[in-house]
Amino acid sequence: DAKTTQPTSMDCAEGRAANLPCNHSTISGNEYVYWYRQIHSQGPQYIIHGLKNNETNEMASLIITEDRKSSTLILPHATLRDTAVYYCIVRAYYGGSQGNLIFGKGTKLSVKP
Amino acid sequence: DGGITQSPKYLFRKEGQNVTLSCEQNLNHDAMYWYRQDPGQGLRLIYYSQIVNDFQKGDIAEGYSVSREKKESFPLTVTSAQKNPTAFSLCASKAGAKDTQYFGPGTRLTVL
Repeated sequence: DAKTTQPTSMDCAEGRAANLPCNHSTISGNEYVYWYRQIHSQGPQYIIHGLKNNETNEMASLIITEDRKSSTLILPHATLRDTAVYYCIVRAYYGGSQGNLIFGKGTKLSVKP
Repeated sequence: DGGITQSPKYLFRKEGQNVTLSCEQNLNHDAMYWYRQDPGQGLRLIYYSQIVNDFQKGDIAEGYSVSREKKESFPLTVTSAQKNPTAFSLCASKAGAKDTQYFGPGTRLTVL
């Protein structure tokens, strides 16, 4: 699976959009970009994933650059409950022989009042 | 209410004692996983099972054992050989090879 690079931490004002970047310059053609988040002492929560087109669901939007070497997760109106560590993961659709996810250290997003 | 449940939420283990962590899912998923998360670290794979009665070691299987007798259940036993004093253990499942993986709430295990 391709390696990802994320900022260690970010702050965002409550009610504003939170834009979390992720670099994955070595991504290959069959690899998807997945985003999860983990609120303190809870299990990771799936947010969204995409291949090359932008994606949107009830939680967030995912913008993938045309060359697929980077992406941005957008939380349109951040709330205090969005404070968490956000993980960007790149994996082949079939996830390799084990099918597990490889989590890095992620970005700690702090939403402030 | 569908999902993945883990119990207990907190577990204390004496040195030399074996303990078992429960993981149950009612999502009808074939594949199940156990991960461990150490403080400030990413998740590492302990064991995984892609089908009933079959399971494979992950990257940090030493000191752990599992069983997969039923599709909905994947218990993890932490043996006395596991020396990590505190660990946050996470169970996950997914329907098939190309599907999204979903996680349980986790069990925090502490060695007294």
